Amino acid sequence: DSGVTQTPKHLITATGQRVTLRCSPRSGDLSVYWYQQSLDQGLQFLIHYYNGEERAKGNILERFSAQQFPDLHSELNLSSLELGDSALYFCASSTHTGGHGYTFGSGTRLTVV
Amino acid sequence: GQQLNQSPQSMFIQEGEDVSMNCTSSSIFNTWLWYKQEPGEGPVLLIALYKAGELTSNGRLTAQFGITRKDSFLNISASIPSDVGIYFCAGLTQGGSEKLVFGKGTKLTVNP
Repeated sequence: DSGVTQTPKHLITATGQRVTLRCSPRSGDLSVYWYQQSLDQGLQFLIHYYNGEERAKGNILERFSAQQFPDLHSELNLSSLELGDSALYFCASSTHTGGHGYTFGSGTRLTVV
Repeated sequence: GQQLNQSPQSMFIQEGEDVSMNCTSSSIFNTWLWYKQEPGEGPVLLIALYKAGELTSNGRLTAQFGITRKDSFLNISASIPSDVGIYFCAGLTQGGSEKLVFGKGTKLTVNP
């Protein structure tokens, strides 16, 4: 157990729907990062939150949004889902700058049908 | 954007053999990290490198931070079946947006 908790583990939904993925960071970590992993693209950075504030954005689609709450858990919202959004979505957490690496959760496998 | 070129894409080896994989970039990184991912799990940090030229070991794993700060390699000695997985290199830039950039991974298969 890495200490980073992601729910749900698996999600199957239809195109056009909206889903919310949840992440609880490791105790004491203020930073949360979201990554998308697909077979052909590897691990792609989506967004970084630090202590409730957005710090950096990667190649995140406009249909996707995220937030980090006062208790430091984070949610990734994916809307108007398309077949190509099927992927593993990982949350990771770190201390302030992440310079010592991130701790990843086990991921949420999203399948859009 | 920043990209890491990781090679080889996949390796099929016999138990007991040594393994070497590397990562190069056109950009400078001030931290290099190596992760391993097993099926159904998230990547797990193996080794972190913080200084150019640094050579760090973790059991049978050895990694080096290239002098130019644009490359890194990972060696696994005397491989065992549980070394199977996907190995990712990752680079962290200095300042700017705080994110790790990942290579596309090296898939390692170890035949007993």
